[in-house]
Amino acid sequence: EAAVTQSPRSKVAVTGGKVTLSCHQTNNHDYMYWYRQDTGHGLRLIHYSYVADSTEKGDIPDGYKASRPSQENFSLILELASLSQTAVYFCASSEGGARANERLFFGHGTKLSVL
Amino acid sequence: GQQVQQSPASLVLQEGENAELQCNFSTSLNSMQWFYQRPGGSLVSLFYNPSGTKHSGRLTSTTVIKERRSSLHISSSQTTDSGTYLCALESYGSSGNKLIFGIGTLLSVKP
Repeated sequence: EAAVTQSPRSKVAVTGGKVTLSCHQTNNHDYMYWYRQDTGHGLRLIHYSYVADSTEKGDIPDGYKASRPSQENFSLILELASLSQTAVYFCASSEGGARANERLFFGHGTKLSVL
Repeated sequence: GQQVQQSPASLVLQEGENAELQCNFSTSLNSMQWFYQRPGGSLVSLFYNPSGTKHSGRLTSTTVIKERRSSLHISSSQTTDSGTYLCALESYGSSGNKLIFGIGTLLSVKP
C-alpha cells in the first residue's frame, strides 16, 4: 500500500510566524499535492508538483509557498502565518496527474491552528 | 457557484440500513472519484468511476454522464462505515488536471 507521511500531525503557530509542513512519500510517485480542508469547504488545492525542483500553483496559492527538493519530499511553507490559514492540510501523491485511473494517496493530515 | 455539490450533507442510519449518497456537478465530466474520510481525518480512495456502475463489496458507484451526477450506494451499513464521503470531479486545466472536491456527506451509522 502506498505511504504518504505528513509531519507534524498538529501545530499551533503564532500570527506572523513561519510554518513549514512536511510530506514524504515512499510510492515513487511523480505527482504530489497540498490541499487544505475547512469546515464548509471541500478540499482545495494549494500547490502541486510533478517533478523534483518544480512546483505549480493550485487554486488557492496566495500566502503559501511550496518546495519539492526531491521526488519523495514536498513541503508547504507559510512565511507569515495568518489566522485565516487555520485549517487541516493534506498532502497526497499520485503516479500520474489527476487523470483517469490515477488514484490519489493521502497522508493523515496536519491540523494547523494559527493564534 | 460550486462545481461539485453533494447531498445529503449528513445522514444518520441504523446499522443494516442502506444509504444513497449523491454527487452533482455543473461542468462537463472527465472523471469522478469517490473518497472516504475516516473520523480521524485520513482519506482513502474508494472508486474511480467516469461512467457506468462499479462495485466493491457493499459499495456501488454509478455515474451518469448525461445527467451530470454520480451516486454512491452503501448496502447493509455497518458502524465502521461512519465517516465522511467525498466525491471529486476531474477538471482539465492549462497546467494539468486537478480534482475538484465536494464538501462531503457525513454518515453516522448507529448500532
